[in-house]
Amino acid sequence: QKEVEQNSGPLSVPEGAIASLNCTYSDRVSQSFFWYRQYSGKSPELIMSIYSNGDKEDGRFTAQLNKASQYVSLLIRDSQPSDSATYLCAVNRRNGGYNKLIFGAGTRLAVHP
Amino acid sequence: DVKVTQSSRYLVKRTGEKVFLECVQDMDHENMFWYRQDPGLGLRLIYFSYDVKMKEKGDIPEGYSVSREKKERFSLILESASTNQTSMYLCASSSWGGDEKLFFGSGTQLSVL
Repeated sequence: QKEVEQNSGPLSVPEGAIASLNCTYSDRVSQSFFWYRQYSGKSPELIMSIYSNGDKEDGRFTAQLNKASQYVSLLIRDSQPSDSATYLCAVNRRNGGYNKLIFGAGTRLAVHP
Repeated sequence: DVKVTQSSRYLVKRTGEKVFLECVQDMDHENMFWYRQDPGLGLRLIYFSYDVKMKEKGDIPEGYSVSREKKERFSLILESASTNQTSMYLCASSSWGGDEKLFFGSGTQLSVL
């Protein structure tokens, strides 16, 4: 079992719809969770971080965390073609006193006009 | 504007060559990381460093070594390049006590023939 699992997609949604991206993780002691966006040919950039159970909203983005179910999700409201990218879920793993980020393989999102 | 700079965008090497990938950050960050990114596998951590002259193995260190002689510079070394090291290599940095936000360089696409 991979430490961080994501559906590879592509997830195809029409412009204006809600895109829902999901991620599960295996390490119960993980405390920090992140969503990175990566456009084709570019490097990843952080768009959301979440540390507590529940929802966290930032503009059109909402991150949801359920530690009991070891589940993180990202909702994108009013999806735009410019949101088309690969979304990487990342989870911290504490190892020997250091924190390391473990990434999922990413979900490719395609928003069509 | 914060910056992580990788010395080459594309690199072609032959099997058995020694390869140096250089990364420089101008944010005075303590932490630096080397990842490789392969389709379907996501980002995998090769090595990281939390201080000058300090290094720790990541999840896939075999065939690689690193050097951090100065705070701003973190080098990845392939002692004897092999075809299975053909990949996109991404350098990243972050600060202590932050939210583990990684700043990525633009990546080096390495092809080993």
